[in-house]
Amino acid sequence: AQKITQTQPGMFVQEKEAVTLDCTYDTSDPSYGLFWYKQPSSGEMIFLIYQGSYDQQNATEGRYSLNFQKARKSANLVISASQLGDSAMYFCAMREGRGGNNRKLIWGLGTSLAVNP
Amino acid sequence: EAQVTQNPRYLITVTGKKLTVTCSQNMNHEYMSWYRQDPGLGLRQIYYSMNVEVTDKGDVPEGYKVSRKEKRNFPLILESPSPNQTSLYFCASSLPPEQFFGPGTRLTVL
Repeated sequence: AQKITQTQPGMFVQEKEAVTLDCTYDTSDPSYGLFWYKQPSSGEMIFLIYQGSYDQQNATEGRYSLNFQKARKSANLVISASQLGDSAMYFCAMREGRGGNNRKLIWGLGTSLAVNP
Repeated sequence: EAQVTQNPRYLITVTGKKLTVTCSQNMNHEYMSWYRQDPGLGLRQIYYSMNVEVTDKGDVPEGYKVSRKEKRNFPLILESPSPNQTSLYFCASSLPPEQFFGPGTRLTVL
């Protein structure tokens, strides 16, 4: 069974508007971490934001925020005030456990975001 | 500057010709790993290493070898590459919670 699901293969947004990229996950481990990465056309993987399963507040990093709904097992990425440079693939990933010996990330298939001027 | 470097960035080779993709990090991280990225399959872990001389298989280790003789280096070795190993490869090192990725190596095996 797929552990990370990103249901939106592609999204469009107008410059300066906000956009939400969906991510749902499946795990029976009470301790886990959720990540979002950005991959521009140049190919590198850029870390955006992290949410731990025990974190009480939703994570925020500049224009990025993570809408963490634990009961629904969703970890949606919200990008506010979209910029042309936000056009990229966005990947949601999960690490089960508290790290230590298990730091493997399980990845979704990504959402391609296009920001229109 | 803290970074993970990979070389080469692009490589076209032929079936059966041994190759090594180097990976180096300057952050003194203990954990390092290799992923491959394929369209429709996402990123899949090939091998990982918890520390020097400690390596273990990920999800898709067949056809690959690794070594970790020094903390900073984690080379990926393809002893006899085949066309199904054509992919985009990423090396990563970890300081929890973040995994730092190298720039990627685009490998084509003809």
